[in-house]
Amino acid sequence: NAGVTQTPKFRVLKTGQSMTLLCAQDMNHEYMYWYRQDPGMGLRLIHYSVGEGTTAKGEVPDGYNVSRLKKQNFLLGLESAAPSQTSVYFCASSYSGQTIYGYTFGSGTRLTVV
Amino acid sequence: KQEVTQIPAALSVPEGENLVLNCSFTDSAIYNLQWFRQDPGKGLTSLLLIQSSQREQTSGRLNASLDKSSGRSTLYIAASQPGDSATYLCAVSGGSQGNLIFGKGTKLSVKP
Repeated sequence: NAGVTQTPKFRVLKTGQSMTLLCAQDMNHEYMYWYRQDPGMGLRLIHYSVGEGTTAKGEVPDGYNVSRLKKQNFLLGLESAAPSQTSVYFCASSYSGQTIYGYTFGSGTRLTVV
Repeated sequence: KQEVTQIPAALSVPEGENLVLNCSFTDSAIYNLQWFRQDPGKGLTSLLLIQSSQREQTSGRLNASLDKSSGRSTLYIAASQPGDSATYLCAVSGGSQGNLIFGKGTKLSVKP
């Protein structure tokens, strides 16, 4: 049982390049989330999805887009990377928004934009 | 806007000591509170989840309590070990969308 898998684990981008981060879960969870973690800032929500075909903005959505075409996958896109997007990105999933079972996190993607 | 604060930001203790990590939140209308552990360069591992109707949860040497009315939670670690060294994160969930609001964490170091 893989849980939540994030790819890639590391990436270096040049300013202005684009990329997509993939999050895949095999737990049949409805809700999926993208967070970024920065030193001194804690984890902040970028975008989230409450089911296949749905997405919504979180606290820090600017510069990112997301898609949830399949229930098990949640993609995070950077159209034109900026140095301010250097961060560690975490994907998480949960059974529901008011879950009693908690949340499962991926191992993270460390992105550096130069 | 919900804010989560964790005190202290860092803590160093000798092996074997019992310790308490604190978490406070500004809006008591939460659905659940979760404690996570994060090792350097790694992801988050869920330790304990307390639903808003519960007062505490226990797992092994860990005990987490929740006082919704005062906006506080504590994580008690008994008989600490060097392997407990990590950053401990507290997060609350309040909205129907289920997103977590995180504190900035307490970095724990347990010295042999």
